[in-house]
Amino acid sequence: GAGVSQSPSNKVTEKGKDVELRCDPISGHTALYWYRQRLGQGLEFLIYFQGNSAPDKSGLPSDRFSAERTGESVSTLTIQRTQQEDSAVYLCASSASTGPVGELFFGEGSRLTVL
Amino acid sequence: GNSVTQMEGPVTLSEEAFLTINCTYTATGYPSLFWYVQYPGEGLQLLLKATKADDKGSNKGFEATYRKETTSFHLEKGSVQVSDSAVYFCALSDRSGGFKTIFGAGTRLFVKA
Repeated sequence: GAGVSQSPSNKVTEKGKDVELRCDPISGHTALYWYRQRLGQGLEFLIYFQGNSAPDKSGLPSDRFSAERTGESVSTLTIQRTQQEDSAVYLCASSASTGPVGELFFGEGSRLTVL
Repeated sequence: GNSVTQMEGPVTLSEEAFLTINCTYTATGYPSLFWYVQYPGEGLQLLLKATKADDKGSNKGFEATYRKETTSFHLEKGSVQVSDSAVYFCALSDRSGGFKTIFGAGTRLFVKA
């Protein structure tokens, strides 16, 4: 597709369940980011993949959160044993370039609601 | 570590008013600076950027100048329109942070007709 695609667009789950969120970046983009946006809040950095380098996981809030990326393609963000405070919009973004001038292209987000 | 601080919103203006949204940053290196915009119901998109000191980024009537001496990148527009109502995010990316992009908290702008 032409842009970053995320699925599902909406997910309602019960506390304690695991969820998987998927991101398809723009083809050829080497960098991929996950951010969390709580209602009315800013973007909270979660994790950053850059090519074949080890991912920067410094933003993951707990060990319940993990993410994988296959090469320079699809990424999945997994949240285990979800809690109500995990409710947020999870945004994925990709970028074509490394270095200081890379524009991020964002998906529409996956809205997660934990009951 | 790197950080971005921007003025709290919401900011409410009448059409044709002058807009300033303040943004200051902390970075150990020489970052590139960005403004992203999130229109209602849409995803974030890049509005403008500047990659070195004294650069001015501009787009859609918006401007921001990279001020190294004051570590600022304030967003300005001379005459806002109702269609500018959105959330605006200041962001930076630099080598010391592995070039990951970090964002400010966002400032919501409402423009009244």
